[in-house]
Amino acid sequence: NAGVTQTPKFRILKIGQSMTLQCAQDMNHNYMYWYRQDPGMGLKLIYYSVGAGITDKGEVPNGYNVSRSTTEDFPLRLELAAPSQTSVYFCASTVGQEAYGYTFGSGTRLTVV
Amino acid sequence: GQQLNQSPQSMFIQEGEDVSMNCTSSSIFNTWLWYKQDPGEGPVLLIALYKAGELTSNGRLTAQFGITRKDSFLNISASIPSDVGIYFCAGQGGWGAQKLVFGQGTRLTINP
Repeated sequence: NAGVTQTPKFRILKIGQSMTLQCAQDMNHNYMYWYRQDPGMGLKLIYYSVGAGITDKGEVPNGYNVSRSTTEDFPLRLELAAPSQTSVYFCASTVGQEAYGYTFGSGTRLTVV
Repeated sequence: GQQLNQSPQSMFIQEGEDVSMNCTSSSIFNTWLWYKQDPGEGPVLLIALYKAGELTSNGRLTAQFGITRKDSFLNISASIPSDVGIYFCAGQGGWGAQKLVFGQGTRLTINP
């Protein structure tokens, strides 16, 4: 099992550019999440999804969009990149029945210059 | 939003020493989780706690779910070099979708 796969691992964007961070899981998990991790801080929830076709905002959704057309994929879209979006982004998934804890991807390190 | 206060923020210890870190919250949680993050990787689950007062071990790691449901601690005994990393606590409050709130992390550095 590959688990949760995130691509790319690193990316540098210029202010105003757009990009999509990819996340795919092969564990048939219903629940998927996007977090950002800033230096010295814990993880902050951006968006989450409880199943295909269903998404909802987390704690810090501004500047981001998501979609969930399949159970496996949960891409995160940045439309107009800003320096404040420089961070490490983690995708995670869980089966959704109990809080057994998430399976995390290895992260995407994004720098906006 | 809800917050978890994790302390200490960093620790510098000698190999073989025991380590203790804790998390507190102003809110009640139904589940406490402890994660470890290695450089360049995502967090990996170490221990999950589901019941107030529960004490759970995983090898050299021991964690407890506080009686008040507002705190948890993690102990690491006889530290070894591979224990280096960032440790996060996380709480789940039953507010649906299995959303977690994370602490700020404790960065552990071990001098051999």
